[in-house]
Amino acid sequence: LAKTTQPISMDSYEGQEVNITCSHNNIATNDYITWYQQFPSQGPRFIIQGYKTKVTNEVASLFIPADRKSSTLSLPRVSLSDTAVYYCLVGPNAGKSTFGDGTTLTVKP
Amino acid sequence: SQTIHQWPATLVQPVGSPLSLECTVEGTSNPNLYWYRQAAGRGLQLLFYSVGIGQISSEVPQNLSASRPQDRQFILSSKKLLLSDSGFYLCAWSPTREETQYFGPGTRLLVL
Repeated sequence: LAKTTQPISMDSYEGQEVNITCSHNNIATNDYITWYQQFPSQGPRFIIQGYKTKVTNEVASLFIPADRKSSTLSLPRVSLSDTAVYYCLVGPNAGKSTFGDGTTLTVKP
Repeated sequence: SQTIHQWPATLVQPVGSPLSLECTVEGTSNPNLYWYRQAAGRGLQLLFYSVGIGQISSEVPQNLSASRPQDRQFILSSKKLLLSDSGFYLCAWSPTREETQYFGPGTRLLVL
């Protein structure tokens, strides 16, 4: 299983773009990269998933370089409600992916 | 649409007492089901997963067990709780093992 490394915490201000990078040097050919968001006392919520290059949806973008050994979650114009823990998962299927300790994002006014 | 339910929301149990947490999924058939535990300030630890009725895989040997008596029902149990069993327990489902997991609201368990 690919191990992931994320910053423990990040601070930002409302209206800024936030980029959270995840390192996964041992990613396998059939692994996907998935990001989740978790608020206190709630279950994680799917944000975005990708395999290579760039994926964009209504809430975030995911940038994956050609070697796929890292990925960057980009949150445009964050608000206070984006304060949460963000997890990067790598695996061929979500069931075998490992949740690390995630990145705690704090958005300040 | 699919929904996932967990109960109870919170539970306080004495050491040595039994445990039964239930998770049910609506709006889908033959889901893959998962039990996770989360310690305070930490990530999620996968405890069990199931790809079908009666099929349970354990990821971490421990004081807990899981059962899947029906297609959309997943139960987490213990015969005798330990202090270390305290935590936030999350149930999740996915359409297949290659797809995204969807989490329930969780059960916060405190063993005293």
